Amino acid sequence: AQSVTQPDIHITVSEGASLELRCNYSYGATPYLFWYVQSPGQGLQLLLKYFSGDTLVQGIKGFEAEFKRSQSSFNLRKPSVHWSDAAEYFCAVGGQNFVFGPGTRLSVLP
Amino acid sequence: KAGVTQTPRYLIKTRGQQVTLSCSPISGHRSVSWYQQTPGQGLQFLFEYFSETQRNKGNFPGRFSGRQFSNSRSEMNVSTLELGDSALYLCASSLETGFYEQYFGPGTRLTVT
Repeated sequence: AQSVTQPDIHITVSEGASLELRCNYSYGATPYLFWYVQSPGQGLQLLLKYFSGDTLVQGIKGFEAEFKRSQSSFNLRKPSVHWSDAAEYFCAVGGQNFVFGPGTRLSVLP
Repeated sequence: KAGVTQTPRYLIKTRGQQVTLSCSPISGHRSVSWYQQTPGQGLQFLFEYFSETQRNKGNFPGRFSGRQFSNSRSEMNVSTLELGDSALYLCASSLETGFYEQYFGPGTRLTVT
C-alpha cells in the first residue's frame, strides 16, 4: 500500500533563510509525487509535481523539489523564505490511490 | 477554466441534524474526492467517486455518504450530526483517478453545535 511520511510536524525559519521540508514515500512502482500548500482556512494549492524525467522539478512561488529514488524521498526546497510562505505543506503520492502525508506546518520569523 | 467550487462555504448545524455539501469539479474532470480536515486529525480521506461510482472509501462511519452525478458534480451527506463532525470539508477533482494531480476547492466549514 502507498504511504507518505513527513517527519517534521512543525518547522520555524527566519525570513530570508533557506528551507527544506522532508517527505518520504512508500510505493512499489514509479511514484507520482506532489507537493501542496494550504493557507489557514483555505483549500490546498498544488505547488509542483513529479511524474518522470528530470529529478529536480520547479514549481510555483519559487519552490523546487528533488526526487531521490534511492532514498524514497521527495524533499521540498526554497532558497529564501518569505513571510507569506507561512502555511501547511503536504506531500502526496499518486498511484492506485492518492495518499497525503500528515503535513508540516511552517512558521516564518520576521 | 473555472476551479473547483464548493457550496455552501460556511454552515452551522445542530447535533442530530443532517447536512448536504455540494462540489462542482473542474470541467472535464471525472474524479471527485472528499476529505475531512480537523486540527487534531489532519487531512482524512472520506471517499472518491469516479464516473458516478464510489471507487474508494476511507475509515468513516456510515453516517457519511456521498454520490456523484452524470455531470461529475458530487454531494456528500452527513446524517445525525455529532459535535466531532465540526471540520473543514474539502473536495478535490482530478482528470482521472489515482495518478493525476488533485485540484482542491476552498472547502466548506461545518460547525455543529
